[in-house]
Amino acid sequence: DTEVTQTPKHLVMGMTNKKSLKCEQHMGHRAMYWYKQKAKKPPELMFVYSYEKLSINESVPSRFSPECPNSSLLNLHLHALQPEDSALYLCASSHLTSGRGNEQFFGPGTRLTVL
Amino acid sequence: DAKTTQPNSMESNEEEPVHLPCNHSTISGTDYIHWYRQLPSQGPEYVIHGLTSNVNNRMASLAIAEDRKSSTLILHRATLRDAAVYYCILRDLPTSGTYKYIFGTGTRLKVLA
Repeated sequence: DTEVTQTPKHLVMGMTNKKSLKCEQHMGHRAMYWYKQKAKKPPELMFVYSYEKLSINESVPSRFSPECPNSSLLNLHLHALQPEDSALYLCASSHLTSGRGNEQFFGPGTRLTVL
Repeated sequence: DAKTTQPNSMESNEEEPVHLPCNHSTISGTDYIHWYRQLPSQGPEYVIHGLTSNVNNRMASLAIAEDRKSSTLILHRATLRDAAVYYCILRDLPTSGTYKYIFGTGTRLKVLA
């Protein structure tokens, strides 16, 4: 199984709502990533988890709260978002073995719209 | 973080080779060069990666300059299904000890029938 799954595919939420994005992989990868992608722009790294611990936070606002409950799951909790947070949110995973290229596997993304 | 620069767009005729360039003049000795592509309404898809030597796989070839300050992704025979945004990415190892993948601006490849 070389697939990264993300749910939901689409999400519309108001600025006062709380919602969560979910990501799952069963490839034994111990690194998992959240990216944000605006239209016609490259993905921007948000968070990296390594062995279920947060290792990189790219100065992301606290209204985005990541969680990695186990080695297969990655969540992104959303609260009090702004309309400018509307974007495609991508999850990815990879091995952590040093000295190798370690390709990332991406999910199809969640298209988020904040009203 | 080392950065990459790519042309915004390129065009190719179907069945012809395509050379997609990438500049990464501030690359460090341990940065791997990755290429991904993103088809419309999909997540990025791995294409190829390398460190110093040229690399070939079933999808493409990667030519890396001797000084590693630039690289070229080569699609040997472009098909309509290769129309996508191609990203040149450096895999960086910051002080946190966890790899970061730094996307370039991407090249939108249009393949003409």
